[in-house]
Amino acid sequence: EAGVAQSPRYKIIEKRQSVAFWCNPISGHATLYWYQQILGQGPKLLIQFQNNGVVDDSQLPKDRFSAERLKGVDSTLKIQPAKLEDSAVYLCASRVGNQETQYFGPGTRLLVL
Amino acid sequence: DQQVKQNSPSLSVQEGRISILNCDYTNSMFDYFLWYKKYPAEGPTFLISISSIKDKNEDGRFTVFLNKSAKHLSLHIVPSQPGDSAVYFCAARGIQGAQKLVFGQGTRLTINP
Repeated sequence: EAGVAQSPRYKIIEKRQSVAFWCNPISGHATLYWYQQILGQGPKLLIQFQNNGVVDDSQLPKDRFSAERLKGVDSTLKIQPAKLEDSAVYLCASRVGNQETQYFGPGTRLLVL
Repeated sequence: DQQVKQNSPSLSVQEGRISILNCDYTNSMFDYFLWYKKYPAEGPTFLISISSIKDKNEDGRFTVFLNKSAKHLSLHIVPSQPGDSAVYFCAARGIQGAQKLVFGQGTRLTINP
């Protein structure tokens, strides 16, 4: 079974530029999560989708971050404009049904200069 | 507001001995707890979990203990192996959290030969 796929793996941009990350969850997983992991901290939930609907985006900085999950499969997370403090690893995870376990992708490491 | 805390940023253990990783939480509404393991440049992978109705769960070399009155859980690895060297995150889920996980900061475990 293929795992959660993310791209790109690494991205370096200058502040005020925009960037987008892509995630393809495990086939059949209806729930998709985006996390931000700053160095030395644990992952922090940004947004949760159930199929193509948003369940929780309470910690998403909506003035600069946006996310969508068209057709309830792939998802994109965008930052526009980026700030220095957005430097982090962005993790995508998915979950099937009522199982507790979330399966994580390898992450995208973003560096904002 | 750090609801899940791992107070030891790092731990070094001799190969073959027991590794004990600790995690404290403050929210009494958490009802399910998970441990994830993370290697460099990879996403976290699920290791073991425990429901709040139990006080122990065992899977091979890994055992998780939950002390609800103390709001404390621990992960025991015995015997420790070099491949166990990684960052370990504990995570907690709230009853009304819609499967939202709150992560601790992580503990870097190093197993010395």
